[in-house]
Amino acid sequence: DAGVTQSPTHLIKTRGQHVTLRCSPISGHKSVSWYQQVLGQGPQFIFQYYEKEERGRGNFPDRFSARQFPNYSSELNVNALLLGDSALYLCASSLIIRSYNEQFFGPGTRLTVL
Amino acid sequence: GEDVEQSLFLSVREGDSSVINCTYTDSSSTYLYWYKQEPGAGLQLLTYIFSNMDMKQDQRLTVLLNKKDKHLSLRIADTQTGDSAIYFCAEKGRYGGSQGNLIFGKGTKLSVKP
Repeated sequence: DAGVTQSPTHLIKTRGQHVTLRCSPISGHKSVSWYQQVLGQGPQFIFQYYEKEERGRGNFPDRFSARQFPNYSSELNVNALLLGDSALYLCASSLIIRSYNEQFFGPGTRLTVL
Repeated sequence: GEDVEQSLFLSVREGDSSVINCTYTDSSSTYLYWYKQEPGAGLQLLTYIFSNMDMKQDQRLTVLLNKKDKHLSLRIADTQTGDSAIYFCAEKGRYGGSQGNLIFGKGTKLSVKP
């Protein structure tokens, strides 16, 4: 079975541009979460979606938005890019969001903002 | 608030045991996790422990939980060069109303010398 897939793998943008990152969860998983991992740091929670509804939002500005589609894939959008947005963006999927739920991570999209 | 602390580096010789330590702040955390990240890769769940347990063993991995001190450790027996990676401690958070987001430490870089 395919794991969590993310596209693109690498991306270079300039300040002020916007970017769309994509994630396909493991088949049957209905929850997708997004994390930002800046170099040398642990991943930080951005959003969680379950059944196409936002279920949680981390401490990120409104420039960050996301959505989940009927097939449970997800997009993360970032507007007005800043240099500090350069990071590895990780997507994780899980079957459910209650109690114990193992999150399976994709390989990430590395975004560089110049 | 929610916070997870880890030491940043650990160096061991092949065949020795490695012990990676972590402290967390949220006493209501129900699950605590250890993830492994190899260079250029996403996160792989190694093991987890439920808060009502003191210890969990899984092949070469032993997790110890001291709930009173909010201290978690991961012991890797017979450490191999393939264990070289960054290890993240994580607790299940409730940030932004999410029931499933994870709060990660900054990661401990384990170097295994032959």
